[in-house]
Amino acid sequence: DVKVTQSSRYLVKRTGEKVFLECVQDMDHENMFWYRQDPGLGLRLIYFSYDVKMKEKGDIPEGYSVSREKKERFSLILESASTNQTSMYLCASSHDPVGNQPQHFGDGTRLSIL
Amino acid sequence: EDQVTQSPEALRLQEGESSSLNCSYTVSGLRGLFWYRQDPGKGPEFLFTLYSAGEEKEKERLKATLTKKESFLHITAPKPEDSATYLCAVLPASGGSYIPTFGRGTSLIVHP
Repeated sequence: DVKVTQSSRYLVKRTGEKVFLECVQDMDHENMFWYRQDPGLGLRLIYFSYDVKMKEKGDIPEGYSVSREKKERFSLILESASTNQTSMYLCASSHDPVGNQPQHFGDGTRLSIL
Repeated sequence: EDQVTQSPEALRLQEGESSSLNCSYTVSGLRGLFWYRQDPGKGPEFLFTLYSAGEEKEKERLKATLTKKESFLHITAPKPEDSATYLCAVLPASGGSYIPTFGRGTSLIVHP
């Protein structure tokens, strides 16, 4: 089974802090993704990566950056946390050589910015 | 613009009362359609992939079907443990993107 592990289930930070969310997958997947999920808004894509050291902006990249130094690890960085970044953050990965495979998700990080 | 619409937004059933959830999509071609289950406070759990019209997949009390415009998730004789939000996602054929478009989900509550 695919395992996508997010480093924290719950996290509380203060406005202005630099926040790191970590995600590791154990299935050698090429593609990794960061989403945020808010009530009434569904899943929104922040950033994704097709390969090591590669990154692409999703629909809502403002205020975020990412890092992928190793194939199995994809980090989301909140450069200067703000209260409107309080949300559930979900990491996903997929092995998709022909472009038709599903994503597999971690259990999420519930982030609160005070 | 690719769109995925799930209905109803919320559904309450009595245990044993079978029903269906709908996922309709408007995309230029379809490479794949995915169903997920999401429990409160957890990430989506992959259930099924459907690739072509007429295809069906089953798992326990769940059966997913696909037409050219929509997919149904049929729940037969549901139990309270089937309560969750069910998400549908679509991979369009155009553009070569590996990014699926997600629906907003159907929140299912099954009462004992």
